[in-house]
Amino acid sequence: LAKTTQPISMDSYEGQEVNITCSHNNIATNDYITWYQQFPSQGPRFIIQGYKTKVTNEVASLFIPADRKSSTLSLPRVSLSDTAVYYCLVGDDGGSQGNLIFGKGTKLSVKP
Amino acid sequence: GAGVSQTPSNKVTEKGKYVELRCDPISGHTALYWYRQSLGQGPEFLIYFQGTGAADDSGLPNDRFFAVRPEGSVSTLKIQRTERGDSAVYLCASSFSKAPADTQYFGPGTRLTVL
Repeated sequence: LAKTTQPISMDSYEGQEVNITCSHNNIATNDYITWYQQFPSQGPRFIIQGYKTKVTNEVASLFIPADRKSSTLSLPRVSLSDTAVYYCLVGDDGGSQGNLIFGKGTKLSVKP
Repeated sequence: GAGVSQTPSNKVTEKGKYVELRCDPISGHTALYWYRQSLGQGPEFLIYFQGTGAADDSGLPNDRFFAVRPEGSVSTLKIQRTERGDSAVYLCASSFSKAPADTQYFGPGTRLTVL
């Protein structure tokens, strides 16, 4: 499974757009890119998943360049409640293992 | 509908004791996962069930850890002879089939403290 690298922490202010970039240089052809969000004392929560180009849902957008060696999670107009740890994961939809491999994530702090 | 539930939410035990942690997955989800999360770290995979069988238990740290899912729904993580290093939040997740293409839905976790 591809290893990911993302910033340990980021600060932002309410109303700003936040972009968190994740590097995954060894991503395989079958790998998807998935982002999870985790609030204190809660389990991680799925945010968005993509394979290539751009994916958008009601929560975020995910930008994936053509070489797929990185991806950027974009959170529009963050609020205080977006303060959380964000994890970038890559993996395929086949094989014998279905488990997710989490890194340390990016701790986003949104200030008023 | 109901999400993944885990009981107890907190468990305090003494070193050397036996503990059981329970996970109720989302109804109809065939895949169930256990993870362990230490402070400041991301969740770490322990074991994965597809139906009743453990499809992958490569993440269990040693033979003190064991998990079952006898009827393909509820799962129990069992830890024998607990050690202080076992203190962590134990997370359970379920998915309709096999991740990561299928979203994993996590429970709130059980915080285990071994004194």
